[in-house]
Amino acid sequence: KAGVTQTPRYLIKTRGQQVTLSCSPISGHRSVSWYQQTPGQGLQFLFEYFSETQRNKGNFPGRFSGRQFSNSRSEMNVSTLELGDSALYLCASSLVPSQETQYFGPGTRLLVL
Amino acid sequence: GENVEQHPSTLSVQEGDSAVIKCTYSDSASNYFPWYKQELGKGPQLIIDIRSNVGEKKDQRIAVTLNKTAKHFSLHITETQPEDSAVYFCAAPIWGGADGLTFGKGTHLIIQP
Repeated sequence: KAGVTQTPRYLIKTRGQQVTLSCSPISGHRSVSWYQQTPGQGLQFLFEYFSETQRNKGNFPGRFSGRQFSNSRSEMNVSTLELGDSALYLCASSLVPSQETQYFGPGTRLLVL
Repeated sequence: GENVEQHPSTLSVQEGDSAVIKCTYSDSASNYFPWYKQELGKGPQLIIDIRSNVGEKKDQRIAVTLNKTAKHFSLHITETQPEDSAVYFCAAPIWGGADGLTFGKGTHLIIQP
């Protein structure tokens, strides 16, 4: 069974631009969570989607948004990029929510110049 | 929400020796505790997890112990090998009934030949 896939793997943007990242969960998994990883703050929860609905959101500004499609694939969007948004963005999938085991993808490395 | 603290931040051991990484959590209602291993350029990989109805779980050279009274859990790696060198993260649910995890800051495990 294929793992979690994320595209693109690397991205360079400039301040003020917006970016969309994509995540395809493991086949059969219906819950998708997004995390931001930086050297200073570590791994931080962004949001969680299940059945095309955002169930939970972490402590991030409204510039960070996401959505989930009927096939469980998910996208996250960051608008008006700031230098501090440079990070590794990780997607994780699980069968259903409520503390089921989560499996992470390889991440998208975003660099904002 | 949950708060997780992880120690040490760096751990260097001789090949063949054991390594122990410890985490404490704040929310006594937390009932799921995964451990992830992250190698350079990759996403976190689940290596073992434990639920609060058991005190210990083993998988070959890896074991996790949980002390609910003291609110701490530990990762034990025996007979360490060079491929064990990586950053290890402990985690716990941010809220009950949701997939979002809060992570420790990570332990950089170095296996000396």
